[in-house]
Amino acid sequence: DAGVIQSPRHEVTEMGQEVTLRCKPISGHNSLFWYRQTMMRGLELLIYFNNNVPIDDSGMPEDRFSAKMPNASFSTLKIQPSEPRDSAVYFCASSEGVAEQFFGPGTRLTVL
Amino acid sequence: QQPVQSPQAVILREGEDAVINCSSSKALYSVHWYRQKHGEAPVFLMILLKGGEQKGHEKISASFNEKKQQSSLYLTASQLSYSGTYFCGTEPTSGSARQLTFGSGTQLTVLP
Repeated sequence: DAGVIQSPRHEVTEMGQEVTLRCKPISGHNSLFWYRQTMMRGLELLIYFNNNVPIDDSGMPEDRFSAKMPNASFSTLKIQPSEPRDSAVYFCASSEGVAEQFFGPGTRLTVL
Repeated sequence: QQPVQSPQAVILREGEDAVINCSSSKALYSVHWYRQKHGEAPVFLMILLKGGEQKGHEKISASFNEKKQQSSLYLTASQLSYSGTYFCGTEPTSGSARQLTFGSGTQLTVLP
């Protein structure tokens, strides 16, 4: 298996622009997680899906952030409009049941 | 609430031992341990599901004291490849299952 796939790997955009991050989980995994990592705040859970349904989005910082999982093999995290403080590395992870989470390589987002 | 990890950083010589601690204010269902190398995604090390259980992976082992809501990661005879940042992720007994809250990390440096 190719593991969790994320795209793009790097994104540089200007403040106010819309940003869409993409994730393909490992086939057969029924849980998907979006995390954000910064030096100041560490690794934060943004939202968690189980069987394509959002279970907990309490970590989503603002209404500017939204996430979807239209099917078992694809998820998006959208930021609209983006702000400089959104600059971070965004990780997607997937797991099967009560087991380890496999992290994707991450998307490094820079908002100018 | 974020679990507390200690120490924040540790420097070792190859062959030396280290212990990393993780403490939570909540009753825990499980504790996960991950290692992240610079510029890479976190990689799963082990999960502890039962109180007092100790698991091991080569020369890395961990314990989980359910009553004290604490877990410790033991690195024995450290190797250069052990360098990285170690995170514990805790899963509470209440609330959304499968939701991990990560500690701020312990930066481990192994010198030759």
